[in-house]
Amino acid sequence: GQSLEQPSEVTAVEGAIVQINCTYQTSGFYGLSWYQQHDGGAPTFLSYNGLDGLEETGRFSSFLSRSDSYGYLLLQELQMKDSASYFCAVRDQTFNAGKSTFGDGTTLTVKP
Amino acid sequence: DGGITQSPKYLFRKEGQNVTLSCEQNLNHDAMYWYRQDPGQGLRLIYYSQIVNDFQKGDIAEGYSVSREKKESFPLTVTSAQKNPTAFYLCASSIDLGLVYEQYFGPGTRLTVT
Repeated sequence: GQSLEQPSEVTAVEGAIVQINCTYQTSGFYGLSWYQQHDGGAPTFLSYNGLDGLEETGRFSSFLSRSDSYGYLLLQELQMKDSASYFCAVRDQTFNAGKSTFGDGTTLTVKP
Repeated sequence: DGGITQSPKYLFRKEGQNVTLSCEQNLNHDAMYWYRQDPGQGLRLIYYSQIVNDFQKGDIAEGYSVSREKKESFPLTVTSAQKNPTAFYLCASSIDLGLVYEQYFGPGTRLTVT
């Protein structure tokens, strides 16, 4: 089976940097994704790591270490609008390369 | 504009009734998915389809059924056999370019069964 662990809640102040960790145990691994979801809304894609290392997209970066079964999402220059839930998701190879298993999410609260 | 549409946004049904949630995409994606989200939890995969006329059970398929007769459409039926159907249902499609893999989500349908 698949299991992902991420902190349930994180709080930070505007302008700060926050890191959300994700550790996983899966029977197959093909990549790690990150999604953002605002209250009542649909998840939106932030990043995908298919290889070890750091991927940077604007204020957001994501890191993957396959050997440690670990990844993180780094949010810089936090803004109030970054308050949302953040989910990591593992793309595994149980059936094919297109099936993802999601973590339970981390609720980020940005304070002024 | 390309995207995924789900209708309706809110749906109310009486216990014992089957209900079908619609999902349409015009992104020309081969793969489509249905997820269920309960309050404070992550997304759990119900069914997914890699190509037309083919679909696979996800982690919580019991009490649900799907069809994939057209590339653009992937409707989900919540049957009366689903013991706890009240939830937020999300449809998604995906693009896979090797090192780029992204799922696009529709706005979701909130189903309440009483």
